[in-house]
Order: sequence, then C-alpha cells, then structure tokens
Amino acid sequence: DAMVIQNPRYQVTQFGKPVTLSCSQTLNHNVMYWYQQKSSQAPKLLFHYYDKDFNNEADTPDNFQSRRPNTSFCFLDIRSPGLGDAAMYLCATRGQGSNQPQHFGDGTRLSIL
Amino acid sequence: TQLLEQSPQFLSIQEGENLTVYCNSSSVFSSLQWYRQEPGEGPVLLVTVVTGGEVKKLKRLTFQFGDARKDSSLHITAAQPGDTGLYLCAGARTGGFKTIFGAGTRLFVKA
Repeated sequence: DAMVIQNPRYQVTQFGKPVTLSCSQTLNHNVMYWYQQKSSQAPKLLFHYYDKDFNNEADTPDNFQSRRPNTSFCFLDIRSPGLGDAAMYLCATRGQGSNQPQHFGDGTRLSIL
Repeated sequence: TQLLEQSPQFLSIQEGENLTVYCNSSSVFSSLQWYRQEPGEGPVLLVTVVTGGEVKKLKRLTFQFGDARKDSSLHITAAQPGDTGLYLCAGARTGGFKTIFGAGTRLFVKA
C-alpha cells in the first residue's frame, strides 16, 4: 500500500498559469520534503518541513512556494511556471532520526505548454 | 559544501555480468542509503548502512560502507534485466534533515 501519495501523477499546465501539486502521507512522519528531478538526474531539494517549520533552500526560486496544513498533507505551488520548470516533482517523508531513510512518492510529472 | 561523487554515471552491461558502483566523499556521514529508481516512479530504498566497515547483502546486491564512513559501494552479481534503473546513493549527517544525493548511476542490463 502506498504510504506517500502524490496527485496528480501527470500535470500539464500553460506557461505562466499557477499549478498546485499535492502530497499526502500515512506514515505520520514529521519531516516532509519536496524535490525537483530532471532527466535522470539526482533529486534536487527545494524545501523541507520539520513539523510546521519551513526550510527553504537558498537556490529555490521564489516562484516555488509550499504549504503544510497538517502532518499528513503538503502542497507545492508554482506561481508562474516557466518552461524550465518542466520536471518530475517528488515528495518524500522521513521519521525522527537523521539515519532514517526517506520514503518517496511516485512523483508528479509536470509539463509546461 | 558536502558532495557525494558517484561513479560511473552510466553503465550498460550484458545479463550475467558483475558490476560495482562507487560513492565517494571527503565528508563523514552518519549513514548512507542506496535507492533504486525506475522510470516514472519515485526512488525506493534498498539499504541503509550506518557502521563503518559494514557490509549488507540483499540477494545479489552487496553494499559496503567504508571504514571512515566517507564512501560506499554497491556490487551486483550476475546482473539481470530487472536490475535496470537509476541507482542513487544518499548521505545523512547526525542531527540534520537534509540528505546529500549522488548524481546517480544509470544501469542498463541487456538480455
């Protein structure tokens, strides 16, 4: 059974049209992550939450925002998608303890027209 | 800045061959994970190694953590087409939230 669920699996949007990607988890993990992954490259961390504490990576564009209304859900908002934002977006969770592995969803593949 | 250098970046081999993927850093990690990712899916955890010198086996896969906890290797014996995928190593430090990912090794096993 999937424990980190991302919706939708595929998202097509127009250049400049806001889009929201969602992630839910049944693991009750307090850490959640959003990554961007392009063409078989390593995932690139955009931001992470520890509970409600939000931590933005220094090189994450302002175009990317996130919300975590509760433990189970986390959203990635892209305010004005550009062609360069076409990618796979991965959500992951992690339990307490830095040696715990991350549990990934299957991702949302975002295409920009 | 911590870096995890992963090699090779791409590997294409015949079914039945053996292979080793390396992950190296100048930094010490408290743990290192290996993931495999198939097209259109998220990375799936294969193993976590925590102790320096630790060796773990998962069927035909053997994982080793370096004595100094700065490097790791993944060895696959008698590769099969089902092993095809992107292999990622990822290191974590005590008390941190971030995981440092290697660039990945794309493995293609031909039948």
